[in-house]
Amino acid sequence: DGGITQSPKYLFRKEGQNVTLSCEQNLNHDAMYWYRQDPGQGLRLIYYSQIVNDFQKGDIAEGYSVSREKKESFPLTVTSAQKNPTAFYLCASSTYTTSEQETQYFGPGTRLLVL
Amino acid sequence: EDQVTQSPEALRLQEGESSSLNCSYTVSGLRGLFWYRQDPGKGPEFLFTLYSAGEEKEKERLKATLTKKESFLHITAPKPEDSATYLCAVQVNSGYSTLTFGKGTMLLVSP
Repeated sequence: DGGITQSPKYLFRKEGQNVTLSCEQNLNHDAMYWYRQDPGQGLRLIYYSQIVNDFQKGDIAEGYSVSREKKESFPLTVTSAQKNPTAFYLCASSTYTTSEQETQYFGPGTRLLVL
Repeated sequence: EDQVTQSPEALRLQEGESSSLNCSYTVSGLRGLFWYRQDPGKGPEFLFTLYSAGEEKEKERLKATLTKKESFLHITAPKPEDSATYLCAVQVNSGYSTLTFGKGTMLLVSP
């Protein structure tokens, strides 16, 4: 079955610690995205990548880092510089085109909690 | 700046009581408007994409419509399993562009 997987489902971070969230897709999509969701707020874009070895900052990139070494994988690292990391993190993917609508499909999410 | 506003923030319906959710948008040029359903603790599930004013799409008890300023998600004779948060997002018509999401409408359907 094609889809997007995220792991772990729950993640606990100690103060000063970097943690990495995994996102894998087998939809053969070129573009991948990371969003953060807080209660009462819409999804906010952290980083996105249109092709391998390239990525762009979204609206709230400070305190986060990403890599895109493989088409299928787009891990997100929450660094110690992110002072308020508690949130629900969503990964998505889509085809990549500059002229057509691109439906984004989402993974199941990772909930990050601070100890 | 592109803006997406969803209303109401929350809606409680009795089973079988039809209603509509609203998504109003302000963008420089719309490429597409997307509706998603999100259950608690899960990722959003894609429902519809609308491309141009006047377009309508249906899926079971849901029908989405689009005008030049807003979109409606009509729910006909809802059932308790329709309870979820419904998210609206827009993509602007400018090269490669990302999605801008509204804050969502939380729908609760009581039996």
